[in-house]
Amino acid sequence: QQQVKQSPQSLIVQKGGISIINCAYENTAFDYFPWYQQFPGKGPALLIAIRPDVSEKKEGRFTISFNKSAKQFSLHIMDSQPGDSATYFCAASMKRSGGYQKVTFGTGTKLQVIP
Amino acid sequence: DGGITQSPKYLFRKEGQNVTLSCEQNLNHDAMYWYRQDPGQGLRLIYYSQIVNDFQKGDIAEGYSVSREKKESFPLTVTSAQKNPTAFYLCASSTDYGYTFGSGTRLTVV
Repeated sequence: QQQVKQSPQSLIVQKGGISIINCAYENTAFDYFPWYQQFPGKGPALLIAIRPDVSEKKEGRFTISFNKSAKQFSLHIMDSQPGDSATYFCAASMKRSGGYQKVTFGTGTKLQVIP
Repeated sequence: DGGITQSPKYLFRKEGQNVTLSCEQNLNHDAMYWYRQDPGQGLRLIYYSQIVNDFQKGDIAEGYSVSREKKESFPLTVTSAQKNPTAFYLCASSTDYGYTFGSGTRLTVV
């Protein structure tokens, strides 16, 4: 019940195209759904996040779509650029106390944007 | 700038040796974490700490130990009991708004 399933494992997109990464969860107690971006040899960095009371959140070229009834959420990268080439992790968490979060990560999607 | 500093960036361990990975934060966060990252397996939680002098085992704690004597510091020791320690290790801290990760330590057994 704690799993977050992420697909695809890898993705190749042409420059200017749309990159779509999907995640599904089972535990309805999750109340925060962040996406992290990781470049090789670096730690992941928070990219964008959503709470389950909204169906969509957009920040620049990055959009999260959230379907609470289906327990699915996805990341859309519009106008994908070679600089977006990285590994993307979806995650789901439940806030406990004092800033502590029990986070479950997806297995990651390696995105390559080709010119 | 506030952030998390991990050192060293690369670490080589001989068989049977204990090694300690450093993690320091100046974000004033209470909660800190250690994750292990292996190719194709995402991030797996080793240990976490919610406050000073308190820490809890994560999903893969066997062969690892931690301490939390100061709010800013959360070192991880990889002991000789960890049979497959070669991996990328990430330290993180959190607030209500998500995690901040360090740049990681790549540990290799030689």
